[in-house]
Amino acid sequence: AQSVTQPDIHITVSEGASLELRCNYSYGATPYLFWYVQSPGQGLQLLLKYFSGDTLVQGIKGFEAEFKRSQSSFNLRKPSVHWSDAAEYFCAVASGGSYIPTFGRGTSLIVHP
Amino acid sequence: ETGVTQTPRHLVMGMTNKKSLKCEQHLGHNAMYWYKQSAKKPLELMFVYSLEERVENNSVPSRFSPECPNSSHLFLHLHTLQPEDSALYLCASSLTDRGNEKLFFGSGTQLSVL
Repeated sequence: AQSVTQPDIHITVSEGASLELRCNYSYGATPYLFWYVQSPGQGLQLLLKYFSGDTLVQGIKGFEAEFKRSQSSFNLRKPSVHWSDAAEYFCAVASGGSYIPTFGRGTSLIVHP
Repeated sequence: ETGVTQTPRHLVMGMTNKKSLKCEQHLGHNAMYWYKQSAKKPLELMFVYSLEERVENNSVPSRFSPECPNSSHLFLHLHTLQPEDSALYLCASSLTDRGNEKLFFGSGTQLSVL
């Protein structure tokens, strides 16, 4: 069965600093990988996704993520964080065996001024 | 605005009440989902409907009963809930139920069971 691990429950960064949120997945073949963001009181919004091809994918709001097959990871990055990026971030994986995405527990991003 | 609307936004109910959550999308999507979001736990998939047929039922207790009368509407009927059912219930839709489809989420219904 596919699974997703987001090892960090909370991440605190200063505004303007770089950001990396970790995501590890468990699945034998190449999965479909996603990052979603949830602002307070809102549903989830897709930031970016990876299916195949270039392992570095660009998303909305200046985010990018890199698929590393050898590490089973799909970490989310942003070179300079803005206060409006404070939110909950969810990594998700879908596979050929189960097309429905499985979500991680989320990482809460706190941005200090 | 994602195009997926959930009502009500907040709901407080007693354990003996019966209530329903509503989800509506006019995006032309054929798949709709119910997820449960509890604090610091992964999103739990509850139900999936594709072309109005239930294709996934993730061992959800029978006190939760979904209904999909057409491809634009999805309901979650609630009865005799428990306090541990208090959570944010999210509805989502996608063009199809294939795994590579982007999910569009509603803002959720925050449910409190007293």
